[in-house]
Amino acid sequence: DAGVIQSPRHEVTEMGQEVTLRCKPISGHNSLFWYRQTMMRGLELLIYFNNNVPIDDSGMPEDRFSAKMPNASFSTLKIQPSEPRDSAVYFCASSKDIGNQPQHFGDGTRLSIL
Amino acid sequence: KNEVEQSPQNLTAQEGEFITINCSYSVGISALHWLQQHPGGGIVSLFMLSSGKKKHGRLIATINIQEKHSSLHITASHPRDSAVYICAVITGTASKLTFGTGTRLQVTL
Repeated sequence: DAGVIQSPRHEVTEMGQEVTLRCKPISGHNSLFWYRQTMMRGLELLIYFNNNVPIDDSGMPEDRFSAKMPNASFSTLKIQPSEPRDSAVYFCASSKDIGNQPQHFGDGTRLSIL
Repeated sequence: KNEVEQSPQNLTAQEGEFITINCSYSVGISALHWLQQHPGGGIVSLFMLSSGKKKHGRLIATINIQEKHSSLHITASHPRDSAVYICAVITGTASKLTFGTGTRLQVTL
């Protein structure tokens, strides 16, 4: 079975540009999570969806960040406008359900904002 | 103070040694994850547990809910075990994870 698929793997762009990160969860999983990892703060939950509906977006740092899940097989995390402090590795994960289920992580997108 | 504390932050061991990584948390949880992140960056879930002990190969995870403490043990460590090990707790009824800062393990020959 394919795992969680993220794209792109790497993104380098100039500050002020719009950045879109993409995630395809494992088929049959109905919970999807976006995380950010930095050296200073480690791993942090940004937002998670259940059955395509955002459940908790309290981790989204600013209005410049937005996430959507238009269907069960696709989600995007958008940063507009991007800033150098947004540079991080962004992970997407999915699980079968909300609750005590293991999460399966994608390989991450390494984002560098110049 | 972080809700999830790990120790040690860094650990170097020789091949074959028994390794213990500790995780303490200060909030009520419904379950706890141990994750492994290799130098390439990918994250793998090793265990999810809410009580007692789980074993998978050379890895053993234990949790004491009353003491709010979990340990990850690696028996007969090997250089391929070199990675960052991250403890994460699930709070509330959702799958929201709160992460520890990780333990960087280096196993040498």
